[in-house]
Amino acid sequence: GENVEQHPSTLSVQEGDSAVIKCTYSDSASNYFPWYKQELGKRPQLIIDIRSNVGEKKDQRIAVTLNKTAKHFSLHITETQPEDSAVYFCGGGLGGYQKVTFGTGTKLQVIP
Amino acid sequence: DADVTQTPRNRITKTGKRIMLECSQTKGHDRMYWYRQDPGLGLRLIYYSFDVKDINKGEISDGYSVSRQAQAKFSLSLESAIPNQTALYFCATSDSRGYEQYFGPGTRLTVT
Repeated sequence: GENVEQHPSTLSVQEGDSAVIKCTYSDSASNYFPWYKQELGKRPQLIIDIRSNVGEKKDQRIAVTLNKTAKHFSLHITETQPEDSAVYFCGGGLGGYQKVTFGTGTKLQVIP
Repeated sequence: DADVTQTPRNRITKTGKRIMLECSQTKGHDRMYWYRQDPGLGLRLIYYSFDVKDINKGEISDGYSVSRQAQAKFSLSLESAIPNQTALYFCATSDSRGYEQYFGPGTRLTVT
């Protein structure tokens, strides 16, 4: 089955700086890669996802890049704000057909 | 997101007791999932169901069982609870395309 590894486990940045979280996956057949944000005491919520037919996707201050050859993908948050502080989970799988496997999470702290 | 609800929200139980966690959704989704969340281990899939007659084991199904009573209801049972099942449990749903998952608010279970 799919194995998704996520790094770093914790990340502290100054407000206004950029944050990058990286994930690798093992199954070359995987074609769907979501990112979920979980604020303290809340449920995970999808913030962005990418499918393997594109290499990059942006939504305001967040972007995701995908390198299918190397089997890794990354979440980029620019101009970080205190409300970006949360745990972020990456996932990988065969979207639409199978389950998604999640990484172990990254706790992002944005220091004002 | 009140469309996915879980009961109870918190539960403390003793080793050896049987316990059931319930999940209901009003989103009309076919697919439902049970995850457990542990610090440093991320979201791990216990069981998933793609429709009422389809139940599948996830990566950590030992010690758990599920029942899909209807399209809208998916229950998780611990037949004989043990302390290492202490965790935060999330139910999630997705539509038949299987992309975005909508999580419930979580059930915090403590086994003493």
